Amino acid sequence: DGGITQSPKYLFRKEGQNVTLSCEQNLNHDAMYWYRQDPGQGLRLIYYSQIVNDFQKGDIAEGYSVSREKKESFPLTVTSAQKNPTAFYLCASSIGNRGRLGNQPQHFGDGTRLSIL
Amino acid sequence: AQSVSQHNHHVILSEAASLELGCNYSYGGTVNLFWYVQYPGQHLQLLLKYFSGDPLVKGIKGFEAEFIKSKFSFNLRKPSVQWSDTAEYFCAVNSGNTPLVFGKGTRLSVIA
Repeated sequence: DGGITQSPKYLFRKEGQNVTLSCEQNLNHDAMYWYRQDPGQGLRLIYYSQIVNDFQKGDIAEGYSVSREKKESFPLTVTSAQKNPTAFYLCASSIGNRGRLGNQPQHFGDGTRLSIL
Repeated sequence: AQSVSQHNHHVILSEAASLELGCNYSYGGTVNLFWYVQYPGQHLQLLLKYFSGDPLVKGIKGFEAEFIKSKFSFNLRKPSVQWSDTAEYFCAVNSGNTPLVFGKGTRLSVIA
């Protein structure tokens, strides 16, 4: 069954620690995205990648890093520089077209909820 | 930069009432418009989308939306809501080669 898998579902972090959130897709999509969802704030874009080995900052990239070494994987690292990391993180993917995002809808994973201990 | 406004933060309706959720965007060029729904405990799902053509778009579960270019609006409607429509609804827009920009969402509570 094709889809997007995010793991873990819940994650706890001590202050000063980096943590990595996993996102894997088997939809053969070129483009992948990370969003942060906070109550009343909607979804805010952290990073996105249109193609393997390439990614761009979104609106709130500070304190986060990503890599795109494989088409199906787009892990997000929340670094200690992110001062308010407690949030719900959503990964998404879309078909894309020769490196362009186009008008294809995004498909979402179930999310990872990150909390600070 | 593109932005999306959803004016209703929380809407409470009785079952069988009609629904209209507002969505306005700011961008002067050609846009693609989307409505997503997030049911409690579930992932975001696409309700409907507009790229071009007929400005009245029909989606899943009886939802529809109308694109009014002159008003920069893409309001979501449903003639008669059910308890199972309780969810959070997000409007989103993109254009060309940009990622989706989402509104802050509208929480819909349907009561019996």
